[in-house]
Amino acid sequence: GAGVSQSPSNKVTEKGKDVELRCDPISGHTALYWYRQSLGQGLEFLIYFQGNSAPDKSGLPSDRFSAERTGGSVSTLTIQRTQQEDSAVYLCASSLEGPGNSPLHFGNGTRLTVT
Amino acid sequence: AQRVTQPEKLLSVFKGAPVELKCNYSYSGSPELFWYVQYSRQRLQLLLRHISRESIKGFTADLNKGETSFHLKKPFAQEEDSAMYYCALAYTGGGNKLTFGTGTQLKVEL
Repeated sequence: GAGVSQSPSNKVTEKGKDVELRCDPISGHTALYWYRQSLGQGLEFLIYFQGNSAPDKSGLPSDRFSAERTGGSVSTLTIQRTQQEDSAVYLCASSLEGPGNSPLHFGNGTRLTVT
Repeated sequence: AQRVTQPEKLLSVFKGAPVELKCNYSYSGSPELFWYVQYSRQRLQLLLRHISRESIKGFTADLNKGETSFHLKKPFAQEEDSAMYYCALAYTGGGNKLTFGTGTQLKVEL
C-alpha cells in the first residue's frame, strides 16, 4: 500500500459526543501505535498493539479512551464524551517489528477539534 | 520514569551555520535512540538511529552514555533542513513503545 492511512483527516465535534478515529496500517506490519500530538506537549504515547499480544494501554489518559485492532490490521481509537482538552492531532504509526528493529511509519493524522 | 528532554522549542540558525539540536534522556540501562523529523506538510519520519551510526542528509548523532545525551548535529545548515525534530527513546522493559521528546522546531534563515 501507499503507507499508513488515517481517517478522517479532520473531525470537529461537540463536547460530550463520541468520536471514532480509524487507522489502516501498512500491510504486514505487526506493530501499531497511537500517539497524540499537542502544541507544546510533543508526541504523547497512547496505546501499542503487537501481533496477538495484549495491547500496552499505559498511555491512555482516561477511561474515556479505548482502542481496538481487528484481525491484526485496522485499528480504531474511540473517545467517549469528548472534552475540549481532547483537541489534538491523533497520529497512528505501524512498524514491521518493534521500534528497536524497524522504523515507525506514521500516517498524516486526524486533527480533532472539540467545540 | 524514562524521559526524553529537548530543551529548545525553537532553534533559529543562518544557512551555512552549524546546527546542534539537544536531546537528553533518563534511563540507566542500554537505550535505543532515534531522531524523527517532520517537514512542513509531510508525515513524521525516521531520520536516523544511533545503532546505525550513519549520516543522513548530513546529520549525525552520537550517543553519550556518560552525559545521557543524543544530540543531533550538522556542520552546515541548509534551508531545506527547516522542520520539527523529535528525539525518541526505546528501552528494554519499555514494552517496545517509543517515548518522544517535545520536539525542537529548526528554522534555517537565509
